Amino acid sequence: NAGVMQNPRHLVRRRGQEARLRCSPVKGHSHVYWYRQLPEEGLKFMVYLQKENIIDESGMPKERFSAEFPKEGPSILRIQQVVRGDSAAYFCASSLFDSGGTTDTQYFGPGTRLTVL
Amino acid sequence: QQQVKQSPQSLIVQKGGISIINCAYENTAFDYFPWYQQFPGKGPALLIAIRPDVSEKKEGRFTISFNKSAKQFSLHIMDSQPGDSATYFCAASKAAGNKLTFGGGTRVLVKP
Repeated sequence: NAGVMQNPRHLVRRRGQEARLRCSPVKGHSHVYWYRQLPEEGLKFMVYLQKENIIDESGMPKERFSAEFPKEGPSILRIQQVVRGDSAAYFCASSLFDSGGTTDTQYFGPGTRLTVL
Repeated sequence: QQQVKQSPQSLIVQKGGISIINCAYENTAFDYFPWYQQFPGKGPALLIAIRPDVSEKKEGRFTISFNKSAKQFSLHIMDSQPGDSATYFCAASKAAGNKLTFGGGTRVLVKP
């Protein structure tokens, strides 16, 4: 029973390059969330996606950041023209939406640690 | 309105002691309150969760106490063990499938 998979686990980019982070949710989960964790801080919500739809992107910076969750394949968080302040751990979580309307557990992946030089 | 405040930032407890972490929230629309445990270099793992219709929930050595009127909830770790040394995060969300708002985390160190 594979959990949430994220790759790469570590990513080093130079300022101005693009970072592409991948997340494969738990099998059967159709909801994906991305969170960012700065050193010594809590996790901050970025974006919530269902297959082919962005449901809530209220935590996503307006520029340089984008996310998608295509019909086939993993969810992708893309950061264009990275800056040093983008250095953080990026976590993906997935959940199985309960048709009864109750909030379901979010299962987190191991994270991608992005370092911008 | 979306903030969750967590205290203390760090905690040292002797093996066998009780660790207590407190969280307070502002948004009365929150209706789901999970606690996550995170080890260095790992992702957060769900420990225990509670909804506002109960005041306490216990799973093994971990207990959540919930005070709806005070908008506060806390995690008690009984008989703390060195393996419990980790960072603990409280969180809250409203309605089904919504984003989690996390507290700032508490780093717990259990001394043998």
